[in-house]
Amino acid sequence: DIRLTQSPSSLSASVGDRVTITCRASQGITHYLAWYQQKSGKVFRLLIFDSSSLESGVPSRFSGSGSGTDFTLTISSLQPEDVATYYCQKYDSAPWTFGQGTKVEIK
Amino acid sequence: EVQLVESGGALVQPGGSLRLSCAASGFPFGSYWINWVRQAPGKGLEWVANINHDGSEKYYEDSVKGRFTVSRDNAKSSLFLQMNSLRADDTAIYYCVAGHYSNVWGQGTLVTVSS
Repeated sequence: DIRLTQSPSSLSASVGDRVTITCRASQGITHYLAWYQQKSGKVFRLLIFDSSSLESGVPSRFSGSGSGTDFTLTISSLQPEDVATYYCQKYDSAPWTFGQGTKVEIK
Repeated sequence: EVQLVESGGALVQPGGSLRLSCAASGFPFGSYWINWVRQAPGKGLEWVANINHDGSEKYYEDSVKGRFTVSRDNAKSSLFLQMNSLRADDTAIYYCVAGHYSNVWGQGTLVTVSS
């Protein structure tokens, strides 16, 4: 089965900083990757699908890139409301897999 | 309003069984793959199983194969997860999720496996 490895597992950055989270697949998954934000331990929000497509209503400071095995989620200017845990997820075929998560905090 | 509502979570002893349900509304349920995803306390997300539109294809995470069964009733816009031979490491909040990637998540139902 394909594994997803996210890095870093946590980060602390200042408001306005550019933040980058990476997700590496153990085998190629073309562009079938999504990114989610989880706040307050329960509320999930889809940010990016198909590696780089921004979900409707998501602020443009979020962007995704990559294909094959290496993917990136970027927050161009970190805001206080972006404090959350972020997960990548593959959906090219079963089994779906999630990355282990990246916790983002404000410095 | 697009909605998924899970139910059926409970405290159950190791080796016991439980049936989770997920009721959908506000979207064409029968057109979607539906997934079960779980999150153990303080841990990350883990995909559990999914089922295609008409129930003819089902896939499971390795640790639940042979113990869990996913099914659906499109006439009632409902999804089910029959969980047998439950173990302590099955303790988690279980979510149903519509589609291959999705903003449509239920609120979750807590399954606790403990003696």
